[in-house]
Amino acid sequence: AQKVTQAQTEISVVEKEDVTLDCVYETRDTTYYLFWYKQPPSGELVFLIRRNSFDEQNEISGRYSWNFQKSTSSFNFTITASQVVDSAVYFCALGVSGSARQLTFGSGTQLTVLP
Amino acid sequence: DGGITQSPKYLFRKEGQNVTLSCEQNLNHDAMYWYRQDPGQGLRLIYYSQIVNDFQKGDIAEGYSVSREKKESFPLTVTSAQKNPTAFYLCASSTTGYASPLHFGNGTRLTVT
Repeated sequence: AQKVTQAQTEISVVEKEDVTLDCVYETRDTTYYLFWYKQPPSGELVFLIRRNSFDEQNEISGRYSWNFQKSTSSFNFTITASQVVDSAVYFCALGVSGSARQLTFGSGTQLTVLP
Repeated sequence: DGGITQSPKYLFRKEGQNVTLSCEQNLNHDAMYWYRQDPGQGLRLIYYSQIVNDFQKGDIAEGYSVSREKKESFPLTVTSAQKNPTAFYLCASSTTGYASPLHFGNGTRLTVT
């Protein structure tokens, strides 16, 4: 069985601070994908990034960066110089090969960026 | 623009009534999904379908039913058997395969009193 843990339920930061959202996953499969989604107040989940289990390179996209470490089964997400528009619920998710059921989601982290 | 349309955005029903939530996609995706979102519990899979006229139960299918008569449509019926139907419901679609990102609709917030 797969499991995704996002231990941080809520985080509040002041604008321009950096913030890291933690994600820890569990799976016995060796082939899997990890995802991050953003859910703004409008409700729609927006896909941010996908990383496969064979690619441990960190990725940076603008103010966003992701740190994937198989040794600790973690896929953490950092927002640099946060902005009010970053306020949302962020979900980490895991998809394993051979599973037509798609993704196992974490419980989400509510990020509030204060002006 | 391609996307997923869920309607209505807000829905109110009396206890004991069945209600159907609409989900339409024009992304030409084969797979479609229904998730339920409750505060602090993330997303839980209700039903999914990989092809027309076929669907499978997810983790919390009891009290729900679906149909997939057309590729672009995947309506969800919340029946009176669902004990706690008040929730936020999200429909999603994707190309088939575990590596495919999901595309989500805006959701329907159902309140049953």
